[in-house]
Amino acid sequence: QKEVEQNSGPLSVPEGAIASLNCTYSDRGSQSFFWYRQYSGKSPELIMFIYSNGDKEDGRFTAQLNKASQYVSLLIRDSQPSDSATYLCAVTSRDYGQNFVFGPGTRLSVLP
Amino acid sequence: SAVISQKPSRDICQRGTSLTIQCQVDSQVTMMFWYRQQPGQSLTLIATANQGSEATYESGFVIDKFPISRPNLTFSTLTVSNMSPEDSSIYLCSAGERATGNGYTFGSGTRLTVV
Repeated sequence: QKEVEQNSGPLSVPEGAIASLNCTYSDRGSQSFFWYRQYSGKSPELIMFIYSNGDKEDGRFTAQLNKASQYVSLLIRDSQPSDSATYLCAVTSRDYGQNFVFGPGTRLSVLP
Repeated sequence: SAVISQKPSRDICQRGTSLTIQCQVDSQVTMMFWYRQQPGQSLTLIATANQGSEATYESGFVIDKFPISRPNLTFSTLTVSNMSPEDSSIYLCSAGERATGNGYTFGSGTRLTVV
C-alpha cells in the first residue's frame, strides 16, 4: 500500500510569515514529487515539482526533498492571503506507473 | 502544459440515469486520468485512460459503473452509470505526458449531484 501523508490542518499563519507544509511517503521507490494548490471550488493547479534531494526554489516557494527520510516539504515565504488554499502533495514511483498518489491535503489560511 | 476543457461544469441528475463527462485537451497527450473528489477530501483515482487500450481501473471502480472512452490523444469521456446519491461528487480529468515531466494539469471539474 503506497501512502502519502500530510500534516493535518488547518494551518494558520499571519501575513508575511513563512508557511511550512510537510509530506511523508511510504514507498522508497518514489521518484517524483509534486505540490498542487487547490482553491475552494476549483481544480488543483501545479505549483512545484522536485526530483532530486535538496531544495528547489521558485519565487516565494521552496520545495525540499529528503529521500532518505522519505520527506518532502513546501515552504511559502512572505505568505499572502491569496495563498490560502489546500495544498496537495503528489508522489509517483516506477512501480505505480505514471499515476500520482495524492496526500489528503493541508488547508492553509493566511491571516491578514 | 496542456489546457483541458471539461464539461459539463455541474449537473443535477435523477437516480438511475447516466451522465457522460467530456474532457478535451488542446494538445495530444499520452496520459489521461479520471478522479473523484468528495467535498473536503483529497483526490481518488478512478481510472487511467490511454488511447488505443482499455482503461485501467483502480480498486473499487468497475467498467460497468464508470465506462471510459479514449478515442484519440486529445479527448476522453467518463460515464457515471445508473447513478445513486452516493455518486454525488466532483469528477476531474487530468492529462499530461509523463508523471516525471512537468506533472499533470486538471480540467475544471464536474460537480455532480444525484437526487
